[in-house]
Amino acid sequence: GEDVEQSLFLSVREGDSSVINCTYTDSSSTYLYWYKQEPGAGLQLLTYIFSNMDMKQDQRLTVLLNKKDKHLSLRIADTQTGDSAIYFCAESKEGDTGRRALTFGSGTRLQVQP
Amino acid sequence: SQTIHQWPATLVQPVGSPLSLECTVEGTSNPNLYWYRQAAGRGLQLLFYSVGIGQISSEVPQNLSASRPQDRQFILSSKKLLLSDSGFYLCAWSVRGRQPQHFGDGTRLSIL
Repeated sequence: GEDVEQSLFLSVREGDSSVINCTYTDSSSTYLYWYKQEPGAGLQLLTYIFSNMDMKQDQRLTVLLNKKDKHLSLRIADTQTGDSAIYFCAESKEGDTGRRALTFGSGTRLQVQP
Repeated sequence: SQTIHQWPATLVQPVGSPLSLECTVEGTSNPNLYWYRQAAGRGLQLLFYSVGIGQISSEVPQNLSASRPQDRQFILSSKKLLLSDSGFYLCAWSVRGRQPQHFGDGTRLSIL
């Protein structure tokens, strides 16, 4: 079955880079996503990458995809205290909706120390 | 642009009382709609999804039900709440047949 795994916790100092890692098992995954959840709030879509891409950069965010190893990472440059949140990795396949909508990891809590 | 609204933001209910959480989407038509529950410190569990008015699919056996009386309205209900129904409930929408999903701000439900 499909599975998405993430480490539970990451602590970094303000100004450093953060790297949040995710592994998935479904080799037919088409899209991979990163969502951010601040305390008490819903999930905010940060970015997503199509499976035929290796990298996607958007301002301070860089997504790297190693499809061979089924490994996805999110790098946040110059991490700020406002980046403290839970980050969820998720995957889906083209055309999948409903039950096969999205498979989420359990989330990585990023703590940014001032 | 599309927006999604959930209410209430916070709810405290006694065991055995009924529940109604509402979610509406604006700026799009024929969306797929989803209800998730997030237990404290955990990931998301898909509860229900809907691909159209009156079409509801349930993912897990539970004390809850969902309805979609209008194209952009999704309601989560219970006749009698249990302590185990406590959690953070999130509604999401996506373009029909596509990803990604976009989430509302959630409802925190506490059962006493």
